[in-house]
Amino acid sequence: DSGVTQTPKHLITATGQRVTLRCSPRSGDLSVYWYQQSLDQGLQFLIQYYNGEERAKGNILERFSAQQFPDLHSELNLSSLELGDSALYFCASSLGGGTKNEKLFFGSGTQLSVL
Amino acid sequence: AQSVAQPEDQVNVAEGNPLTVKCTYSVSGNPYLFWYVQYPNRGLQFLLKYITGDNLVKGSYGFEAEFNKSQTSFHLKKPSALVSDSALYFCAVVLSGSARQLTFGSGTQLTVLP
Repeated sequence: DSGVTQTPKHLITATGQRVTLRCSPRSGDLSVYWYQQSLDQGLQFLIQYYNGEERAKGNILERFSAQQFPDLHSELNLSSLELGDSALYFCASSLGGGTKNEKLFFGSGTQLSVL
Repeated sequence: AQSVAQPEDQVNVAEGNPLTVKCTYSVSGNPYLFWYVQYPNRGLQFLLKYITGDNLVKGSYGFEAEFNKSQTSFHLKKPSALVSDSALYFCAVVLSGSARQLTFGSGTQLTVLP
């Protein structure tokens, strides 16, 4: 068990809808990362938060947004969902701000299915 | 362009035989290289990393990786494969100027046959 908790484990919704994915990092970790894993795109970095502030941005669509709350949990909001958004969404955490030698601890993911 | 590549989608090896999962990279400056493993229905788990120093890095579960600067490779190895090593393996690199986030390769599915 990595100590990173993601809810829900599975999410089924329809096109055009909005969903929220939740992540609780390991105790003491200040950084939260969001990744999207799909068969065609592989594992893509979306966004990183460190101690409540956005730290780095990757291939995140404008329809997607995230935030990190004072208790350090994070939420990823996906809106105007499309079929192509169906994927496994991972949250990861690390102790610091993501220095180059830090390892990440991953949650088990949220499987999103858009029908 | 900076990148990380795993040239093999699938690697099959017999139990007890040595295994190698390949990774090549293209980065500016000194690379920070990682291997992660993903078991079915689980998140990724850290195996090992290379930052600097000895070119042979030892990690979890008996895995090791060899950093080769001249060949820009960071292959994952294990002397004797176990059936339980069957999983999806990802090589990752921190790209220069990318605000530190990890960039993952496409993954290699390792199957160890009994």
